[in-house]
Amino acid sequence: KAGVTQTPRYLIKTRGQQVTLSCSPISGHRSVSWYQQTPGQGLQFLFEYFSETQRNKGNFPGRFSGRQFSNSRSEMNVSTLELGDSALYLCASSLRINTEAFFGQGTRLTVV
Amino acid sequence: GQNIDQPTEMTATEGAIVQINCTYQTSGFNGLFWYQQHAGEAPTFLSYNVLDGLEEKGRFSSFLSRSKGYSYLLLKELQMKDSASYLCAVREGYGGATNKLIFGTGTLLAVQP
Repeated sequence: KAGVTQTPRYLIKTRGQQVTLSCSPISGHRSVSWYQQTPGQGLQFLFEYFSETQRNKGNFPGRFSGRQFSNSRSEMNVSTLELGDSALYLCASSLRINTEAFFGQGTRLTVV
Repeated sequence: GQNIDQPTEMTATEGAIVQINCTYQTSGFNGLFWYQQHAGEAPTFLSYNVLDGLEEKGRFSSFLSRSKGYSYLLLKELQMKDSASYLCAVREGYGGATNKLIFGTGTLLAVQP
């Protein structure tokens, strides 16, 4: 059974640019959550999607957005990148609401 | 408010037992999770507690006391490969309405020979 797949694994972007990250959950899983991990702040919740609907959103600026498709795949977008957006972005897949979350390998974003 | 506390670092010896504590204060509680994360890798699921008591899974056990806002992860027969960061996370919400996890900053465990 394939795990959670995130692409790309690494990205280098320039300040002011935008970026789109992709997450394919475990087959059959319908819930996807996104987290940002930095050395100083640890893992922080970005958003949660279930059946194409955003159910929850963390305390991040509007530059961070996401969506989920009918096949449960999810994307997140960050516009007008800032140096502080450099982080590991992790996607977590769950079968449904109120079940365990399994993480992908993450996308390492570096903003220069 | 939301607050999850764990020790920043711990050191233990191969073959020994180590207990990693986690205390939490969150606006809601719907389960506590422990994850292991090796450097440069994704967090991997270790355990889940939603009721008070001890859950055992091989060399790993996790305990929860909801009234005290307290959990611990117990690792037995430590191996060098157990050197990693251990993350405590609380699922907020009532009635199972969310998968949102609030994470502690993690405990970096170093296992020495």
